[in-house]
Amino acid sequence: AQSVTQPDIHITVSEGASLELRCNYSYGATPYLFWYVQSPGQGLQLLLKYFSGDTLVQGIKGFEAEFKRSQSSFNLRKPSVHWSDAAEYFCAVGAGAQKLVFGQGTRLTINP
Amino acid sequence: DAGITQSPRHKVTETGTPVTLRCHQTENHRYMYWYRQDPGHGLRLIHYSYGVKDTDKGEVSDGYSVSRSKTEDFLLTLESATSSQTSVYFCASGTGNYGYTFGSGTRLTVV
Repeated sequence: AQSVTQPDIHITVSEGASLELRCNYSYGATPYLFWYVQSPGQGLQLLLKYFSGDTLVQGIKGFEAEFKRSQSSFNLRKPSVHWSDAAEYFCAVGAGAQKLVFGQGTRLTINP
Repeated sequence: DAGITQSPRHKVTETGTPVTLRCHQTENHRYMYWYRQDPGHGLRLIHYSYGVKDTDKGEVSDGYSVSRSKTEDFLLTLESATSSQTSVYFCASGTGNYGYTFGSGTRLTVV
């Protein structure tokens, strides 16, 4: 069965610092991988997705993620965070017509 | 506008009353989903639909029913609201290979 693990429930970083949010997945075939962001009081917005090809994918708001098949990981990165990046981040895996499986989310706090 | 619209955005209701939440999509997606989001539980799937009049249960379906009479509309009904159903409810549409589009959510309080 598919599963997604986000090991960090809550991460705090200083504004301007780099960020890496971890995501590990379990899936029997080639996965489609997604990162979503949820700002307070809002729905989930798609940041980026990986289908195939280049394992480093670029998304909106300056985020990128790297697919590492050998590690079953799809970690989200940003070189320099802004206070507006404070939000909850969800990793998800899916394929075809199957339902997406979401991780539990990582809450990001930004220190000024 | 393209996307998903949920209504109402906020609702307070009394225990034991039926409540219907509405989801309208303009994406022409075949698949639609209802989730609830609670602190410490992430997103939990309540019900989903794979076409008009075709629905199935998710992991937390007890006390909820759904209907889909048109591609665009997916209704979630709490048959007799309980305090444990106080939550934020999200509607989504899409598939596992293209990802989902989410609505802005409905905050439901059962008193």
